[in-house]
Amino acid sequence: ETGVTQTPRHLVMGMTNKKSLKCEQHLGHNAMYWYKQSAKKPLELMFVYNFKEQTENNSVPSRFSPECPNSSHLFLHLHTLQPEDSALYLCASSQEALRETQYFGPGTRLLVL
Amino acid sequence: DQQVKQNSPSLSVQEGRISILNCDYTNSMFDYFLWYKKYPAEGPTFLISISSIKDKNEDGRFTVFLNKSAKHLSLHIVPSQPGDSAVYFCAAKVKRHTGNQFYFGTGTSLTVIP
Repeated sequence: ETGVTQTPRHLVMGMTNKKSLKCEQHLGHNAMYWYKQSAKKPLELMFVYNFKEQTENNSVPSRFSPECPNSSHLFLHLHTLQPEDSALYLCASSQEALRETQYFGPGTRLLVL
Repeated sequence: DQQVKQNSPSLSVQEGRISILNCDYTNSMFDYFLWYKKYPAEGPTFLISISSIKDKNEDGRFTVFLNKSAKHLSLHIVPSQPGDSAVYFCAAKVKRHTGNQFYFGTGTSLTVIP
């Protein structure tokens, strides 16, 4: 595996479900990110982790809970989501936090019913 | 408030001709600009960037132009190839006391017609 991988690629969940998105980077980077892309809207940065420590949380609701056990893995735990949370969730990584070039995964397409 | 805008959601160009993708921004404190390319079912990939101290950066068939007075950024692809068909996002960076912040446009879908 190379680059940034994300699983699952597609996810359908009910509003009462709990699910997790997984991201793994094989680039030796120290920073990882979660982005949200809703239809017709620009990419929104959700969380930034640098050396496993969360450095940014852009006013994301608590129903989204990130976890970074090490520099290569990043999770996004989801619970009691709303239909408006349906979007493409992209993971990215870079050598240092918020450096110019970030490498993106393919994303998880989430549908909340 | 959207600080980076791509006002053309789509663009069609004949193979071999020039593709020009445009991006406008509002924040004069942006100091670095990037273009990403995204194929369906894949994540965005970095394409080319430019610092605010420059007005042009070229990499093969791709050239980015920056007009700071107009707060306008453009990406030129010449000659355009069918494989260039993708969604192109522009992004801009601003330094904050906590680090850098990136703002993305909504993307322009480019179709290169063989």
